[in-house]
Amino acid sequence: KAGVTQTPRYLIKTRGQQVTLSCSPISGHRSVSWYQQTPGQGLQFLFEYFSETQRNKGNFPGRFSGRQFSNSRSEMNVSTLELGDSALYLCASSSVAGSTDTQYFGPGTRLTVL
Amino acid sequence: GNSVTQMEGPVTLSEEAFLTINCTYTATGYPSLFWYVQYPGEGLQLLLKATKADDKGSNKGFEATYRKETTSFHLEKGSVQVSDSAVYFCALSAYGGATNKLIFGTGTLLAVQP
Repeated sequence: KAGVTQTPRYLIKTRGQQVTLSCSPISGHRSVSWYQQTPGQGLQFLFEYFSETQRNKGNFPGRFSGRQFSNSRSEMNVSTLELGDSALYLCASSSVAGSTDTQYFGPGTRLTVL
Repeated sequence: GNSVTQMEGPVTLSEEAFLTINCTYTATGYPSLFWYVQYPGEGLQLLLKATKADDKGSNKGFEATYRKETTSFHLEKGSVQVSDSAVYFCALSAYGGATNKLIFGTGTLLAVQP
């Protein structure tokens, strides 16, 4: 089975712009979560989707949004980019919705905001 | 709230040395516990997990036991290799509810020297 894929792998934007990141989960997985990884804050949960519905949201400003499509693919959007949004954005998928389920991570999208 | 505390790194060992990375958690109920590993430039890979008290997760020579009484999930390996050099993250998934949001520790960098 193919793993979780994320596109693009690298992105450079300037302050004030917006960006859209894409994630394709493992085939058959219906849950997709997003995490932000920075040297200062570590790994922080952004949001989680299951069957096109957002089930959980982390403590991030409204500039961060996401959605999930009927084929379980997910996108996240960051509007009005700030320097502090520079990070590795990781997507993870799991087959079902439960705390015991394993999440499988993609390679991440490295976003640099200049 | 739920949280994970990991020992500070970096941890520097010689090849074939014994490894312990401490991880303790704070959570209500019975969370699931995970160890993930991140190699340079890559996403996270699940190393092992345990979903109930006294469970032992194991994989590739690594082990960790879910200790409810000490709220710990320490990672151990009897003989490390240079290829084990990476950042290791302890994480928990809160008990109950239809969510698999992960809360991560800060990560521990392991450097194994030949």
